[in-house]
This record gives sequence, C-alpha cells and structure tokens, in this order.
Amino acid sequence: AQSVTQPDIHITVSEGASLELRCNYSYGATPYLFWYVQSPGQGLQLLLKYFSGDTLVQGIKGFEAEFKRSQSSFNLRKPSVHWSDAAEYFCAVGAINDYKLSFGAGTTVTVRA
Amino acid sequence: NAGVTQTPKFQVLKTGQSMTLQCAQDMNHEYMSWYRQDPGMGLRLIHYSVGAGITDQGEVPNGYNVSRSTTEDFPLRLLSAAPSQTSVYFCASSSPTSGDNEQFFGPGTRLTVL
Repeated sequence: AQSVTQPDIHITVSEGASLELRCNYSYGATPYLFWYVQSPGQGLQLLLKYFSGDTLVQGIKGFEAEFKRSQSSFNLRKPSVHWSDAAEYFCAVGAINDYKLSFGAGTTVTVRA
Repeated sequence: NAGVTQTPKFQVLKTGQSMTLQCAQDMNHEYMSWYRQDPGMGLRLIHYSVGAGITDQGEVPNGYNVSRSTTEDFPLRLLSAAPSQTSVYFCASSSPTSGDNEQFFGPGTRLTVL
C-alpha cells in the first residue's frame, strides 16, 4: 500500500523568501503524485500533479515540484512567497488504475511580513 | 459546472443522533469518495465508489454507511453519531478517463458531535 510522509508540520517563511515543502512517498511502482493547498476554512485545491514525463512539474500560483525517483520524493517549491500563500499543503500519492489517494499529514505554512 | 457540492456546510449533532451528509457532482465522474480530515492526520479515506451500485470501504469505515444509486450522488450516513466523528468531511470525485487520478474536492462539511 502507498503512503506519504510530510516531515515538516509547520514552516514559517518571510514574504518574498523562497519556500520548499518536503514530501516522501512509499510505493512499489511509478506513483501518481499530487500537491493540494487548503486555505483556512476552504476545500482542497490542486496545485500540481505528476504521473509521467518531465520530472519538474509546473503548477498554479507559481509553484513547482520535482519528482525524484531515487529519493522517493516530490518536494514543492516556490521562489518568492506571497502572504496569500499562507495555508496548509498536502502531498498525496495514488496508483495506476486505483483511484484512491493516500495523503500526508500536511504542512502548515505561515508567512510573516 | 458546479463541480462537487456538499451539504450542509456545518452541523452539530448530539451523541446517538443520525444524519446524512450529502455529496453531488455534475461532471459525470465514475469515482467518488469520502474523506475525513483531522488535525495532524491529513485526509483519511472513509468509503469510496467506482460507479453506481458499487461501494467499498476505505481506511476508516467504522460508523459510516454509503450507497451509490446514481452517478451524481454519494451520501454518507452516520447511524449513531459519536464524539470521535467530530471532523471535517470532504467528498471527492474523479474519472478514469482523466488518466491521472486527479480528484476534485467539495468545500467540506464541518461536523461537531457533542
């Protein structure tokens, strides 16, 4: 069965600084990988996804993520954080022909002025 | 398209009461699922359905029932609510034709059981 670990529970970053959120997954074959963002009191919005091809994936809101098979990682990055990026971020993994997703526990991002 | 809709947005129950959380999607997605979100635990799968008439258990199914009589609707039933079911509940849908398992989420239902 697949699983996801997000090692950082909470990250605080200054506005304008870069951000990197870590995600490690466990799955025996090529995974489908996702990053979702959840603003306070809201549902989940897809930031980006990887299922094949180029290992550097571009998403919405200026985010990107890199799939590294050798490290079983799918870290999310943003070069310059805006105050509106304060939210909770979830990494998720799925499998081919299995529509269930396994989510990490989430990383809460606080942006300070 | 309204996407995935959930009702109600908020609900307070007393222990032992029953209720149904509603979920509907207008994207003709075959696959629908229910998750609960608890602090520090991410989202955990409760039940899912791969099509009308077909349902299966996820990671945390105890205390919940589901049915799927139509493609559009996937209600979640709590037969006898317990304080441990206090959580935020999300419904999601996806389609195998998308090829990548992307799930679309509803806005959530915040449930408190006293």
